[in-house]
Formats: sequence, C-alpha cells, structure tokens
Amino acid sequence: EPEVTQTPSHQVTQMGQEVILRCVPISNHLYFYWYRQILGQKVEFLVSFYNNEISEKSEIFDDQFSVERPDGSNFTLKIRSTKLEDSAMYFCASTPGPLSYEQYFGPGTRLTVT
Amino acid sequence: AQKVTQAQTEISVVEKEDVTLDCVYETRDTTYYLFWYKQPPSGELVFLIRRNSFDEQNEISGRYSWNFQKSTSSFNFTITASQVVDSAVYFCALSVRTGANNLFFGTGTRLTVIP
Repeated sequence: EPEVTQTPSHQVTQMGQEVILRCVPISNHLYFYWYRQILGQKVEFLVSFYNNEISEKSEIFDDQFSVERPDGSNFTLKIRSTKLEDSAMYFCASTPGPLSYEQYFGPGTRLTVT
Repeated sequence: AQKVTQAQTEISVVEKEDVTLDCVYETRDTTYYLFWYKQPPSGELVFLIRRNSFDEQNEISGRYSWNFQKSTSSFNFTITASQVVDSAVYFCALSVRTGANNLFFGTGTRLTVIP
C-alpha cells in the first residue's frame, strides 16, 4: 500500500542553523501539508500546498519557514534559522483531493534544536 | 473559527472494559468533515474514520464505534472490550469546506488500557 515517507526520522541541529525536512507524498496525491506537534501537545497545521503554491498557512508559518516541491516527488519544509521552540515532531501529509478525503500522514521527523 | 475540544486528557481502563472518548467541535461552516486519528507510542498518526456533516449515521467497525450528533456538535468514539494494544493518544479533528482541507486537531486523549 502506498505511503507517505519522511526523512530524516530524527534531526538534531543547533540554534540558528537551517534545516530542511523532506517528504515524499503518495504519488497520485495533489494536496500536501505540513503539521507540527510539540512534545505532549496537539497536532498543529502549518501550511497546505496545491498546484505548486501555498494555499493556506497558519500564524505559526512565519518568514522563517518555506515549502517547496523541487521535483515531481519531493515536498520539503525549510526552517531558515532554527529556534529552541522549533523543537517538535513535524508531520507531512497528502491527500488525493480536497475536503472529502482523509489525509495520509508520514511517520514524522523529530527535530531537536539545541 | 474552528475548534475541537477533547475534555478528557487521560483515561485509564482495565482490559475488556468499554471506553468512550468525547469530542466536541465548533464551526460555522455547514459542510465539514470530522476525523479520528490514533497516535500509538511509536508516534505515527493512524487514520481511523472520517464522517461528513450530512451523514449522522453512527458507524461500527469491529470493536470501534462512532456516535455523531449534530445537535450537540459531538463526535464520540467508543472502544468496546478494550485491549492493551488500544493504548495510545486519540485525536479528534475537523476540516471545513471553506479552507484548504487542513485539519484542526483537538488536544488528544491519552488512553491507557491496563492488563
């Protein structure tokens, strides 16, 4: 069964460094998402992406964040200058269509900023 | 604005007991979808069910059942004859027609099933 994959599974970085989290959505899916979950807290929406552009973003998704679909398969989240509070699990998700479809989540990347 | 409330932060039950996880949602949209996800200790998010706002029929899938009531804006989840493998954090989530289908999650309920 097709699945969303994410790399790396765990990333440790120093404050102020740039990180890129990678996701490979399910191949025929059209909508892509990033969510974040700070340890022990709820899952929070960051950004949605469709037709090669951001369709919606939350207030968390400030200028330090960017997303890109550099080729036909990868979907990346870049954090330009990491802060301690960026430490969280980052989930990528994809769905074949809008609204009525469930989102398929990847296994997550645990980001630790020291 | 959309909001999902899961008032139960932690529940413990003894194996084989039934348990109900509560979910109350708020939205002004008339078209919306409700979801339940399971997050086991390994951390991934596992999709359990999706219901749309036009379908209030309850659903049963094995030991799992869901009770959707628009009158009380609730979408409760019952596990019958709980098992240790049901131990996880369960999230209720909402998406609305006017958005980009992003999910609004509740704070989750941590279920511990004691053998």
